[in-house]
Amino acid sequence: QKEVEQDPGPLSVPEGAIVSLNCTYSNSAFQYFMWYRQYSRKGPELLMYTYSSGNKEDGRFTAQVDKSSKYISLFIRDSQPSDSATYLCAMSANTGNQFYFGTGTSLTVIP
Amino acid sequence: GAVVSQHPSWVICKSGTSVKIECRSLDFQATTMFWYRQFPKQSLMLMATSNEGSKATYEQGVEKDKFLINHASLTLSTLTVTSAHPEDSSFYICSARRALYTFGSGTRLTVV
Repeated sequence: QKEVEQDPGPLSVPEGAIVSLNCTYSNSAFQYFMWYRQYSRKGPELLMYTYSSGNKEDGRFTAQVDKSSKYISLFIRDSQPSDSATYLCAMSANTGNQFYFGTGTSLTVIP
Repeated sequence: GAVVSQHPSWVICKSGTSVKIECRSLDFQATTMFWYRQFPKQSLMLMATSNEGSKATYEQGVEKDKFLINHASLTLSTLTVTSAHPEDSSFYICSARRALYTFGSGTRLTVV
């Protein structure tokens, strides 16, 4: 079983839709959860970072962690064509430990 | 914030030649850097972990003699693709970790 599972998509939504991106994991020791966004032919950039359970909001983006279910989500409200990218989740037990990445979900927001 | 610079952003080379890609941590020291390869519409594949002052650790299936890694200082790691062939054409990305992973902008290598 992989440490982190992420549906690769592709996911296609109309502009203005709410997007839900998800990852599941198997290691209950994970406490640090990140979401990276990667545009085509660019390196991934850190989008959201959360520690332990709960929600974190930043503009149109909300990161949610449910440690009891070993499930994390990234919600994008009022999605825009500029949100079209691949989104990778990453997680770790400790910032000094190895990070585990999901395979990435490809998102296209159609104008 | 932590910044990782990668150079060049794209390169075209002839089959049989070698290409060097640089990865620099601009505002922090990185004893460890990571090199990834990414094929079109696929996720990152970790190739190797670069350790300052010591040998790199390669993932299974990655040819050490093909992909030479040198981490000579706390801010610079280089990946040299030796005797490149068309099948080595790919997007190569480096990353370094301060508290969290920061990625370089990637290098698109095309071998003709």
